Amino acid sequence: DSGVTQTPKHLITATGQRVTLRCSPRSGDLSVYWYQQSLDQGLQFLIQYYNGEERAKGNILERFSAQQFPDLHSELNLSSLELGDSALYFCASSVGTADDLTEAFFGQGTRLTVV
Amino acid sequence: QKEVEQDPGPLSVPEGAIVSLNCTYSNSAFQYFMWYRQYSRKGPELLMYTYSSGNKEDGRFTAQVDKSSKYISLFIRDSQPSDSATYLCAMSENSSASKIIFGSGTRLSIRP
Repeated sequence: DSGVTQTPKHLITATGQRVTLRCSPRSGDLSVYWYQQSLDQGLQFLIQYYNGEERAKGNILERFSAQQFPDLHSELNLSSLELGDSALYFCASSVGTADDLTEAFFGQGTRLTVV
Repeated sequence: QKEVEQDPGPLSVPEGAIVSLNCTYSNSAFQYFMWYRQYSRKGPELLMYTYSSGNKEDGRFTAQVDKSSKYISLFIRDSQPSDSATYLCAMSENSSASKIIFGSGTRLSIRP
C-alpha cells in the first residue's frame, strides 16, 4: 500500500456527464500529480499541484480541471465526457517542492468507463 | 514515431529464467531513465532509475542504459511468479514529472 488513496475505484458514466475523482496524498506529502493511462496513449501527465498551487501542466484537456484543497487532498473534475475519456486515472504524491517523480508514490487509480 | 518505444508483449518465461525488457527512444537529450512495475489493478511503482549511461544493480534487477544506441534495458535474474506484472520504462531530460515520457509497457508473465 503506497499510502495514496483514490476514490472511487471504479466509475461508469454516460457521455456528456461530469465526474469528480478524489485523491488523498500520503501523510506529509505536499505535491499531487494526476495521470491518465489509456491503452493507446500509455501513461500521460495531466497536472501537478503543490501545497494548493498549480505547479505544472501537461496535456490536460480544457474539459478537465483540478484543484488541491487546504487539507491537501485533490480532485480531478472531468466534464462533457466522451467515450475516449475512458481510462485509468492515477494520482501520485510526493513530499518535495520540486516535481521530481522519482520521489513520488502512485495510488491504485480510478477506472473510468464512459458509455 | 513515438519518442519512447516499448514492445507490449506479452512475454512469458519459466520461473528462474533471466528476463530482458527493453525500450528504445529517439530524443538524445534524455538523461533520466526509469523503470516502473505495475501489478494488475495497481498504480505504477518505481523500481529503479539511472542518470545518464551505465548500469545500476538492485538485488535481482539490473538497469542498463546505452545512450549511443538510444536503448535501455531491465534485466531480472532468477525470475519469480511474483515478478509477473507490466513493466513501464520512462525517461526525461530531467526527473521533472511534467516532462517524463512513459513507454506503453511490457506485460510479463512468469510461469511456475
